[in-house]
Amino acid sequence: TQLLEQSPQFLSIQEGENLTVYCNSSSVFSSLQWYRQEPGEGPVLLVTVVTGGEVKKLKRLTFQFGDARKDSSLHITAAQPGDTGLYLCAGVDSGGGADGLTFGKGTHLIIQP
Amino acid sequence: DVKVTQSSRYLVKRTGEKVFLECVQDMDHENMFWYRQDPGLGLRLIYFSYDVKMKEKGDIPEGYSVSREKKERFSLILESASTNQTSMYLCASSFSTLYEQYFGPGTRLTVT
Repeated sequence: TQLLEQSPQFLSIQEGENLTVYCNSSSVFSSLQWYRQEPGEGPVLLVTVVTGGEVKKLKRLTFQFGDARKDSSLHITAAQPGDTGLYLCAGVDSGGGADGLTFGKGTHLIIQP
Repeated sequence: DVKVTQSSRYLVKRTGEKVFLECVQDMDHENMFWYRQDPGLGLRLIYFSYDVKMKEKGDIPEGYSVSREKKERFSLILESASTNQTSMYLCASSFSTLYEQYFGPGTRLTVT
């Protein structure tokens, strides 16, 4: 069973600060997805990273896939209260099947005004 | 705009009751999934379906069953609800198990 470890589990910072959250595994994934889940809602896909070393930017959010495709990071610049939510990473195993998507337990992020 | 809907946002049931949770997607996706989400445990896959009338067990199928009679509809059934099934239940669909999953808003089920 492939495992994805997300850190930190909880993070509370002030508006305007920068932050980085991590998604790590000992396994190689063919791609990795990042989702954000707001309270009372289902997760929504933010980005998919596919190539080792790939960097994708989504406004103030920067996603990076590790060179070995075992880890990923999400960096938020100048965090805003609207960034509050649960950030989930999900690794895609090229083997497919339902086991093909492994979710981490998430990072709970709170941005205080 | 893609959409996954779930029959209820909040549900309160008594121990021993039979519970039906329904999920409908409008994207003509082959694959549909049922997860439960609990604090500290993350998302855990209960069952998934890759075609009409087809189902596969996920990581925690005990105490649950599913039904997929139509492509757009995937039902989760709790045959005899127990208090340890109190949870947030999320339905998702995807074009392929390797592609992004589209989630419904979730059903928060409380079993008393």
